[in-house]
Amino acid sequence: DAKTTQPTSMDCAEGRAANLPCNHSTISGNEYVYWYRQIHSQGPQYIIHGLKNNETNEMASLIITEDRKSSTLILPHATLRDTAVYYCIVRVNTNAGKSTFGDGTTLTVKP
Amino acid sequence: GAVVSQHPSWVICKSGTSVKIECRSLDFQATTMFWYRQFPKQSLMLMATSNEGSKATYEQGVEKDKFLINHASLTLSTLTVTSAHPEDSSFYICSARRDSPFSAFFGQGTRLTVV
Repeated sequence: DAKTTQPTSMDCAEGRAANLPCNHSTISGNEYVYWYRQIHSQGPQYIIHGLKNNETNEMASLIITEDRKSSTLILPHATLRDTAVYYCIVRVNTNAGKSTFGDGTTLTVKP
Repeated sequence: GAVVSQHPSWVICKSGTSVKIECRSLDFQATTMFWYRQFPKQSLMLMATSNEGSKATYEQGVEKDKFLINHASLTLSTLTVTSAHPEDSSFYICSARRDSPFSAFFGQGTRLTVV
């Protein structure tokens, strides 16, 4: 799996958009970008994933740069319950479930 | 979404005893499951890959005789921590791979405390 780099921590005001960046400059052509989050003392929760195109679901949007070397996870209207550690993972799709977790970004949503 | 359930959610055991943690895929069959360990304020570390009907594959540095993995059915994998010691206290998390549509889902984790 390609290595990813994320900021250690970020703060966001409740109701505002949270933009979490991830650098993955060594990503291979067949590797997807996955985002998970882990709320304290729980298992990781899948958020979204993408290969080249931007993706959106009910939880978030994923913006991948054209060269695929970085991406941004966007939580459009952050709530206090979005406070968690967010992990950006790059892997081939066939490795589903087997992930190399970095340190992630601790997002704190403040009232 | 698909559900993966771990049992128990937390357990406290005495040093020297063994503890079994179950990981079940509730609404899909999982030929492959994964076990992770997470120490406080650290990230998840993959311990082993569990394959239904065959031996598990352990990551480097993980003792296979200490962390026994059994994947006897398509919906259940178990991790047994044998002769547990306080340094085995950790958060153990499983994930189960679904083949169609291809994806993976994590359990809620098991907090093990060895006293």
